[in-house]
Amino acid sequence: DAKTTQPPSMDCAEGRAANLPCNHSTISGNEYVYWYRQIHSQGPQYIIHGLKNNETNEMASLIITEDRKSSTLILPHATLRDTAVYYCIVRGYPNYGGSQGNLIFGKGTKLSVKP
Amino acid sequence: DGGITQSPKYLFRKEGQNVTLSCEQNLNHDAMYWYRQDPGQGLRLIYYSQIVNDFQKGDIAEGYSVSREKKESFPLTVTSAQKNPTAFYLCASSVDRGAGNTIYFGEGSWLTVV
Repeated sequence: DAKTTQPPSMDCAEGRAANLPCNHSTISGNEYVYWYRQIHSQGPQYIIHGLKNNETNEMASLIITEDRKSSTLILPHATLRDTAVYYCIVRGYPNYGGSQGNLIFGKGTKLSVKP
Repeated sequence: DGGITQSPKYLFRKEGQNVTLSCEQNLNHDAMYWYRQDPGQGLRLIYYSQIVNDFQKGDIAEGYSVSREKKESFPLTVTSAQKNPTAFYLCASSVDRGAGNTIYFGEGSWLTVV
């Protein structure tokens, strides 16, 4: 089972910041938080990941709370092309023959960016 | 260009036939993965491979088989034993399975049983 909780859907106005929340209250100290997005009928696209510190790249910012039990993905200026399903995933270090180290997907948040 | 190539994009299969989906990567990644996605659902892991000549079952391996004879290739065979094979199949790869190493995905293959 996925170790994260996300709202099933969100709307955002074009040009505004989109803030997508994720709850991961059972996260362990060595587990990373990953964000991917998927546009219909395409492969998931990697966005960003982090362990403890906030992270920023050309696509987005990731804000992780100090207790690491939740995080927020921020798309600073949403466009219509950001409409997609966004997945928040907690990923741990691998164990041989086990699922640790793999990505376990939940149902994600469907973000709709509106004109 | 570096990346992950899946083929074919669309495939139709008659019931009772095996079919093999191709996945090739030129990223020099050791780890490779196969996922299945049903409409409106998240991805589910079928098989993964940490290194050449080694692979492990994921959450839904029944009715599927894989091989990893070369580092760059990880083909998936959907056998006639798979009860509901119609789905979107995604291949992925990463440097290794370390938690800090990003997993990248191909564009996927649609399989339809007719």
